[in-house]
Amino acid sequence: TQLLEQSPQFLSIQEGENLTVYCNSSSVFSSLQWYRQEPGEGPVLLVTVVTGGEVKKLKRLTFQFGDARKDSSLHITAAQPGDTGLYLCAGDDSEKTSYDKVIFGPGTSLSVIP
Amino acid sequence: DAGITQSPRHKVTETGTPVTLRCHQTENHRYMYWYRQDPGHGLRLIHYSYGVKDTDKGEVSDGYSVSRSKTEDFLLTLESATSSQTSVYFCAIKVGRLQETQYFGPGTRLLVL
Repeated sequence: TQLLEQSPQFLSIQEGENLTVYCNSSSVFSSLQWYRQEPGEGPVLLVTVVTGGEVKKLKRLTFQFGDARKDSSLHITAAQPGDTGLYLCAGDDSEKTSYDKVIFGPGTSLSVIP
Repeated sequence: DAGITQSPRHKVTETGTPVTLRCHQTENHRYMYWYRQDPGHGLRLIHYSYGVKDTDKGEVSDGYSVSRSKTEDFLLTLESATSSQTSVYFCAIKVGRLQETQYFGPGTRLLVL
């Protein structure tokens, strides 16, 4: 069974600071996604990374997929209160059972203080 | 917004009673999923559907059943609710070619007393 771990579990920072959150596994994933979830709402897809070593930028957010496709990081530059939320990583099950399946990490809860 | 709604949004029920949650989509996507989200566990797949009347179990399916009689509706039933089923339930659909691209509904918060 493939598992995804995320760190840190909780992060509280001041507005304007930079931060990085991590998503790690001992298994290889075909692709990996990052979602952001705000309180009382469903997760919203931010990005999908597919190629080992790939870097994608979304405004102040930078996503990187590890060369071995076992880990990923999300870096936020100059965090703003609107970045507050739960950040989830998810990977597709490369062991390919009989159904389409996405595995989710437990999330990093980010709080950006004005 | 991928046109996903869930009902009810909040529900309080008693142990032993049956509960049905509804997920409705407006765009005729084939794949639909039910997840539960609990602190420290992330999202865990309960059941999924790959077409009308075609469903299969996920990793935490015990105590749950599903039905999909129309493309647009995917129902999740707790046959006899237990306190361990207190959770937030999310429906999701797969959009497009990539199986990992899922869009989520707003969630149903269920409390079993």
